[in-house]
Amino acid sequence: DQQVKQNSPSLSVQEGRISILNCDYTNSMFDYFLWYKKYPAEGPTFLISISSIKDKNEDGRFTVFLNKSAKHLSLHIVPSQPGDSAVYFCAAPGAGSYQLTFGKGTKLSVIP
Amino acid sequence: NAGVTQTPKFQVLKTGQSMTLQCAQDMNHEYMSWYRQDPGMGLRLIHYSVGAGITDQGEVPNGYNVSRSTTEDFPLRLLSAAPSQTSVYFCASSPNADTQYFGPGTRLTVL
Repeated sequence: DQQVKQNSPSLSVQEGRISILNCDYTNSMFDYFLWYKKYPAEGPTFLISISSIKDKNEDGRFTVFLNKSAKHLSLHIVPSQPGDSAVYFCAAPGAGSYQLTFGKGTKLSVIP
Repeated sequence: NAGVTQTPKFQVLKTGQSMTLQCAQDMNHEYMSWYRQDPGMGLRLIHYSVGAGITDQGEVPNGYNVSRSTTEDFPLRLLSAAPSQTSVYFCASSPNADTQYFGPGTRLTVL
């Protein structure tokens, strides 16, 4: 049973436009969410997070939105740049632990 | 400050062989973990440790063994390699529940 779902395996966006990556979760106990970015042949790197007490968190070009009632979060990248081309993972830590549950990832391609 | 290092980068094993994947961190983090990533899958937790001398199982622990004798090192042992263990393995360390710092990965092929 997948508790964190990323239903779009891939996304292509033109440079300068907005990229929207989606993530759904089933476990209502999750109270913190993270996005990781992964380039080929490298380990994932932390991008941005959001606590369930917020509905939005912004860091430069990256904004994460959380809709608790829908159990849905999204990552917005504006404007998208070719260097943003990577696989993006949504993740949530289990209650009281550091153990992360990851979605399957969405491969973003930003076309120049 | 090297962060999280993993060796080797690549490894090919035959079925039944054993080996140890090394992981070290120089950030004095208490929490360390091992994940595997398979095509079309997210990262899945194999084992984790909340401090020296303390380890526990994650989502997919079968066929793997870990120990944590020091804060810095967290090796992952494959006891008898199987083709199903062909994967990319990532080690991570964390100072808190907010973020985890991942190593560059070890790509393992079991023939």
